Amino acid sequence: DIQMTQSPSSLSASVGDRVTITCRASQGISNYLAWFQQKPGKAPKSLIYGASSLQSGVPSKFSGSGSGTDFTLTISSLQPEDFATYYCQQYNSYPLTFGGGTKVEI
Amino acid sequence: QLQLQESGPGLVKPSETLSLTCTVSGASVSASLFFWGWIRQPPGKGLEWIGSMYYTGDTYYNPSLKSRVSISVDTSKNQFSLRLNSVSAADTAVYYCARRPAGREVDYWGQGILVTVSS
Repeated sequence: DIQMTQSPSSLSASVGDRVTITCRASQGISNYLAWFQQKPGKAPKSLIYGASSLQSGVPSKFSGSGSGTDFTLTISSLQPEDFATYYCQQYNSYPLTFGGGTKVEI
Repeated sequence: QLQLQESGPGLVKPSETLSLTCTVSGASVSASLFFWGWIRQPPGKGLEWIGSMYYTGDTYYNPSLKSRVSISVDTSKNQFSLRLNSVSAADTAVYYCARRPAGREVDYWGQGILVTVSS
């Protein structure tokens, strides 16, 4: 199985901050990496696919980068609605695996 | 607009079988190049992929659950189902059904259903 390691597991930030979350795969996954945002009591929402492609309707303050084993999600200017938990997921091979999540708190 | 809706019992006894159904509206479960599957999330924890079924009928399961899980489809009702045998408290989770285009990430999720395993 491909292990996905996210860091940090949680972070505190302020409105307007630039935030970066990293995700490392235990083996190369090309660019088959997605980022999801999850708010309490809700299903995850896709933000980024193909490591760097923005999902339709997702604001451009979200960006993704990376290839192979190391990936990042950046939120350029944190807004109140962005406080949530973020997950990476690889879909290069089965079993599909998720990172442990990063909780972004005020 | 594609919608997925999970249904099934919210409480299952230990050692019994968990059965959930996902009803799909706005798309066909027979449509080419799509996977239909299940993902779960224990309370306060992260996401775990359970398994998927391709439109061809091929199934893919998480090895950690493979001996206990099966996914099937009912094209006449435009539904797909999850069965998880011999459940324990560790299977208590919110269960999501989801669609994933081939070569892409999950693009549609159900709202999720909490299933508690308890006597």
